[in-house]
Amino acid sequence: GNSVTQMEGPVTLSEEAFLTINCTYTATGYPSLFWYVQYPGEGLQLLLKATKADDKGSNKGFEATYRKETTSFHLEKGSVQVSDSAVYFCALRISGTYKYIFGTGTRLKVLA
Amino acid sequence: DTEVTQTPKHLVMGMTNKKSLKCEQHMGHRAMYWYKQKAKKPPELMFVYSYEKLSINESVPSRFSPECPNSSLLNLHLHALQPEDSALYLCASSQILAVVGGLAGGKETQYFGPGTRLLVL
Repeated sequence: GNSVTQMEGPVTLSEEAFLTINCTYTATGYPSLFWYVQYPGEGLQLLLKATKADDKGSNKGFEATYRKETTSFHLEKGSVQVSDSAVYFCALRISGTYKYIFGTGTRLKVLA
Repeated sequence: DTEVTQTPKHLVMGMTNKKSLKCEQHMGHRAMYWYKQKAKKPPELMFVYSYEKLSINESVPSRFSPECPNSSLLNLHLHALQPEDSALYLCASSQILAVVGGLAGGKETQYFGPGTRLLVL
């Protein structure tokens, strides 16, 4: 079946620390992969995406590379800020469909 | 304009009430979605409309009734809900997918609204 597995949170970091949030997936075909961010009381915002193997998505200092050989799409940022505190969801779109599957979300808390 | 709007922002209803959630987008997207999100959980797909026709129903109970009156609007009609239906209801939209060998040309980004927080008493 199709699924997304994310590391359990919460993740607590000091400002300017390096961030990694792990995401692995199982899927048939060639899924597109996404990272969404959700701030308290808000909907989801697309952070970055990758549509094929070896693609790197990047936005606002965040990066993730679509690794087909390890079925992973880990999110990284070199220096986090307090304003990055939010819940991060890894997601995939099942190839050829409108179905999106989300991971369980990882809460990030950045301390000043 | 990349905005998806949802009304109301908050809704409290009794188990015998009938209410509707509304979603609107003006991005020309012809795919629209309803998701349900419980606290500290990921969004769960409920319905998908493409070209104003229902294309996916994820075995949602009939007390939830979606409607897509035109290409910009998506409604979710609620009737005889249960307390366990209390959640954040999210609407999203995206371009229609150009399904060519499963590739969508990177145009399948979903844009989400802020959600309606529903409490069923």
